[in-house]
Amino acid sequence: EVQLVESGGSLVQPGGSLRLSCAASGFIFTDHYMDWVRQAPGKGLEWVGRIRNSGSGYATEYAAAVKGRFTISRDDSQNSLFLQMNSLKAEDTAVYYCARDSKSHEIDYWGQGTRVIVSS
Amino acid sequence: QSALTQPAAVSGSPGQSITISCTGTSRDVGAYNFVSWFQLHPGKAPKLLISDVSERPSGVSNRFSGSKSGNTASLTISGLQADDEADYYCCSYVDSTNIWVFGGGTKLTVL
Repeated sequence: EVQLVESGGSLVQPGGSLRLSCAASGFIFTDHYMDWVRQAPGKGLEWVGRIRNSGSGYATEYAAAVKGRFTISRDDSQNSLFLQMNSLKAEDTAVYYCARDSKSHEIDYWGQGTRVIVSS
Repeated sequence: QSALTQPAAVSGSPGQSITISCTGTSRDVGAYNFVSWFQLHPGKAPKLLISDVSERPSGVSNRFSGSKSGNTASLTISGLQADDEADYYCCSYVDSTNIWVFGGGTKLTVL
């Protein structure tokens, strides 16, 4: 069974940093691209970014709203995905979901999310 | 990149069919067949219902179907059930950008 479990969400001040983690199990992690998606309170889903696998050079892509502030990385030895968030703004307040891409590179499984609140 | 356009809300009675539209542009929905649909129940992990416009993953009820015409994709739910009451989101790849965009979401109410 595919499982994705996010952690690391908390309350952080504007301008601060936070690192989210996602523990993956139930599938061959190295075979898949991985994504982060967020949902702000009362808003819709927003794609944050993606990291490809080693076969694709661990290339990353980001949404314009987070490019230059957020960094996605992965540790294949630990089946883990990370989201480093810097220079956080109030508008980054959201539930952050870890998601797996299928072999055709569309999202097919999601975690239950971790909540990030950016507020002073 | 603007979000794809979905109706904010739709409703139907048990047993009826409803269709949720997802309108984009020739750069996203209209560019490729990389359109997915997800179901969100509060407090639960989002669930993939449809990928590649009309492909249903194993385990997803055949009451859910997807289609596309031009720049608009659609999700149809037939034989509405109480448990179908949830939020639904479409998602599309954006041509030549390596980014993905979601729709604004549609809240389905089963009357």
